[in-house]
Amino acid sequence: DIVMTQTPLSLSVTPGQPASISCKSSQSLLHSNGKTYLHWYLQKPGQSPQLLIYEVSNRFSGVPDRFSGSGSGTDFTLIISRVEAEDVGVYYCMQAIHLPLTFGPGTKVDIK
Amino acid sequence: EVQLLESGGGLVQPGGSLRLSCAASGFTFSNSVMSWVRQAPGKGLEWVSGIGARDGNTYYADSVKGRFTISRDNSKNTLYVQMNSLRAEDTALYYCAKHRNCVSGCLDEFDLWGQGTGVIVSS
Repeated sequence: DIVMTQTPLSLSVTPGQPASISCKSSQSLLHSNGKTYLHWYLQKPGQSPQLLIYEVSNRFSGVPDRFSGSGSGTDFTLIISRVEAEDVGVYYCMQAIHLPLTFGPGTKVDIK
Repeated sequence: EVQLLESGGGLVQPGGSLRLSCAASGFTFSNSVMSWVRQAPGKGLEWVSGIGARDGNTYYADSVKGRFTISRDNSKNTLYVQMNSLRAEDTALYYCAKHRNCVSGCLDEFDLWGQGTGVIVSS
């Protein structure tokens, strides 16, 4: 199984400041078709997860442009350019190149 | 409205069985690859099982293989998972989730999640 790791596991951010979450996979997530199957989700308190970023850097419909993703191979980063109060929750990365689909342990983001 | 609505959760004894359902609406269910994802209390997300849109191909995590069976009824826009030989470690909130782009032979990212249904395995 592909193991996903995230750092940090928790993050306290001042509103308006940037935040960055790292995600690393135990194997490359680059497919022979040229796509990289690394995705990011946010689970807000008491809610179901929601898709933020798919295939490393593509913002899903309705996701604010303060969220961006980057990376390649096995190393990926989610950046929130200016954190807002509504961004609190747990952020998960997930790989979808090999079964079983696996998630990172999550990074809990709260507001200072 | 585009939504997934799970049902069927509850309290069950170890070794018991339960069938979860997920009613889909607002999108073409028959064209959508679907999965079950679970979240144990206070823990992270774990993919459990997936099923193709029309080909019926099924996929399972090792932790549930041989005990869980995923199925779908496209005429009823409903996804199911039959869970047998339940263990304490199966205790979780079970989410139904739709894959964004895959149609056949793949499982990609989830673009729609239900609210989840809770399963507690305890004597």
